[in-house]
Amino acid sequence: EPEVTQTPSHQVTQMGQEVILRCVPISNHLYFYWYRQILGQKVEFLVSFYNNEISEKSEIFDDQFSVERPDGSNFTLKIRSTKLEDSAMYFCASSEDLAGELFFGEGSRLTVL
Amino acid sequence: QKEVEQDPGPLSVPEGAIVSLNCTYSNSAFQYFMWYRQYSRKGPELLMYTYSSGNKEDGRFTAQVDKSSKYISLFIRDSQPSDSATYLCAMRPLDSNYQLIWGAGTKLIIKP
Repeated sequence: EPEVTQTPSHQVTQMGQEVILRCVPISNHLYFYWYRQILGQKVEFLVSFYNNEISEKSEIFDDQFSVERPDGSNFTLKIRSTKLEDSAMYFCASSEDLAGELFFGEGSRLTVL
Repeated sequence: QKEVEQDPGPLSVPEGAIVSLNCTYSNSAFQYFMWYRQYSRKGPELLMYTYSSGNKEDGRFTAQVDKSSKYISLFIRDSQPSDSATYLCAMRPLDSNYQLIWGAGTKLIIKP
């Protein structure tokens, strides 16, 4: 069964360091998303991506964040200068069409020290 | 401000019981309503997806939406220990094509 894969599963970094989280969406999907979940809190929307550009972003997704689809398979989330409050589980998701089901990866846990 | 409220639980019931999980929302600006299941250390998995008031059934699961009361429910019949997970409701705002607003999730425990 096709699935969304994310790497790394867990990353520990020092405050101020750059982090890149990687995702391989399902191959025929066109819409890509990043969500995050701080421990004990709600899942929060970060950004959606379609046709090689950001289609929507939340207030959380400030200038420290960026997304890229560098090739035909990967979808990355970069945090330029990590802060303690960036510690969270980051979920990548993809969907075939706009109203379609979102398929989530297993998440990348980011710990900022 | 769009808010979705959900009791975090935990909700513990015996195997075979009917489970009722609920979410309320604070304004009318939502168009799609979803229920996700999340096992520990896994990503959310879609269970049910509705966009109108009323009931939708899929196997042991029934999703109910009452837009007039701003209330959605998920019922699980003949609950199994394998149903033990966190159940999250999520809703898509009318003014968005992409984002979902999530409840906090209810942790469900089915006791054998």
